[in-house]
Amino acid sequence: GALVYQYPRRTICKSGTSMRMECQAVGFQATSVAWYRQSPQKTFELIALSTVNSAIKYEQNFTQEKFPISHPNLSFSSMTVLNAYLEDRGLYLCGARDHTRQNTLYFGAGTRLSVL
Amino acid sequence: GDSVIQMQGQVTLSENDFLFINCTYSTTGYPTLFWYVQYSGEGPQLLLQVTTANNKGSSRGFEATYDKGTTSFHLQKTSVQEIDSAVYYCAMREGTGYQNFYFGKGTSLTVIP
Repeated sequence: GALVYQYPRRTICKSGTSMRMECQAVGFQATSVAWYRQSPQKTFELIALSTVNSAIKYEQNFTQEKFPISHPNLSFSSMTVLNAYLEDRGLYLCGARDHTRQNTLYFGAGTRLSVL
Repeated sequence: GDSVIQMQGQVTLSENDFLFINCTYSTTGYPTLFWYVQYSGEGPQLLLQVTTANNKGSSRGFEATYDKGTTSFHLQKTSVQEIDSAVYYCAMREGTGYQNFYFGKGTSLTVIP
């Protein structure tokens, strides 16, 4: 079956520092990967959509300078939160899309970021 | 613009009660509709999806009908159990390409034993 692994599951960083999170698709080819942030106050905020052979598309309020993403192959993606501050706290979800299954989005368990 | 609306933020039921979670969508295209379930401490899991209008999707006792006339995709279950306690998200994807998914705000279901 299609599985998506994210690591680390939880991380704490000091204000102003950066942290990197990873996303691994197992059992299918992730032709596109969507990174979301889920905070206690809001539902899913789409950060960016990364599609193979296309430029990464960032949503409004999110930039490559703040959330650089790497999507080097069909099974792996990583995102870094640069200069993290309190407002960056939340659960970061990776959704990998399987083009062989009607482009269904499969999520990992998320990386929960806390900022001190 | 495209959107998914879930009006119910929280639902509390007793075991064996009937579950109904409201979901309506707005788009000019022909979307695929989804229900995701998120248990505490986990990421969202796909519960069911329906691509074709007027079809019904079902999984684990849950079902939802893609009603293009009323632009709705309500989630139902005849008899809920405590293990069904979770947050349920209605979602929509227009088309079959790499378009964005649109999620509702989620409905938190608590089932009391």
